[in-house]
Amino acid sequence: DAGITQSPRHKVTETGTPVTLRCHQTENHRYMYWYRQDPGHGLRLIHYSYGVKDTDKGEVSDGYSVSRSKTEDFLLTLESATSSQTSVYFCAISLEASGVSGELFFGEGSRLTVL
Amino acid sequence: QKEVEQDPGPLSVPEGAIVSLNCTYSNSAFQYFMWYRQYSRKGPELLMYTYSSGNKEDGRFTAQVDKSSKYISLFIRDSQPSDSATYLCAMRGNSGGSNYKLTFGKGTLLTVNP
Repeated sequence: DAGITQSPRHKVTETGTPVTLRCHQTENHRYMYWYRQDPGHGLRLIHYSYGVKDTDKGEVSDGYSVSRSKTEDFLLTLESATSSQTSVYFCAISLEASGVSGELFFGEGSRLTVL
Repeated sequence: QKEVEQDPGPLSVPEGAIVSLNCTYSNSAFQYFMWYRQYSRKGPELLMYTYSSGNKEDGRFTAQVDKSSKYISLFIRDSQPSDSATYLCAMRGNSGGSNYKLTFGKGTLLTVNP
């Protein structure tokens, strides 16, 4: 258990509303990631962070922003949600202590439905 | 062409069967190859990883990497109903540092029937 908590776990919202998903970790890991998972597309990286206030874009970053003001929290924001952002969102962390395997530990996921 | 191709299945086998799951890739820079298992409504969890070419065995699971063919496989021996899950391949290059951005396959849904 890598101590990852995602909230909310389920959310239904309407098109055009802002949404923020939170990822919280308890073990001060430096690297954190947001992925989305969709049928037919698999897991795709949205944004990642390599430290407080240090973030970068992944392959599907349009329409999303992130913030990391504390080591333990990585927030994903949809400024104006669209139906195409209906998905399951996973937060992940990587353990530097595990060496170079690149092992990611995932949270339980946040299921977002945009009507 | 997608960087990583994985047959989505679904794959249904009887208990005790040998299962073969495969991925192909196009990026010759990939050096680290992983298999994740994802149970329904759960996050993926790392099952096995292999560096460069070769085989790696862990109990009933064997991971193979053939870099010359850009092809990786996961074999499950004596499959059990508890192996029913989606299996995702993932890989990354040797980017240095600790930036573990992975490229995932779409996942193969496996059902093992008692």
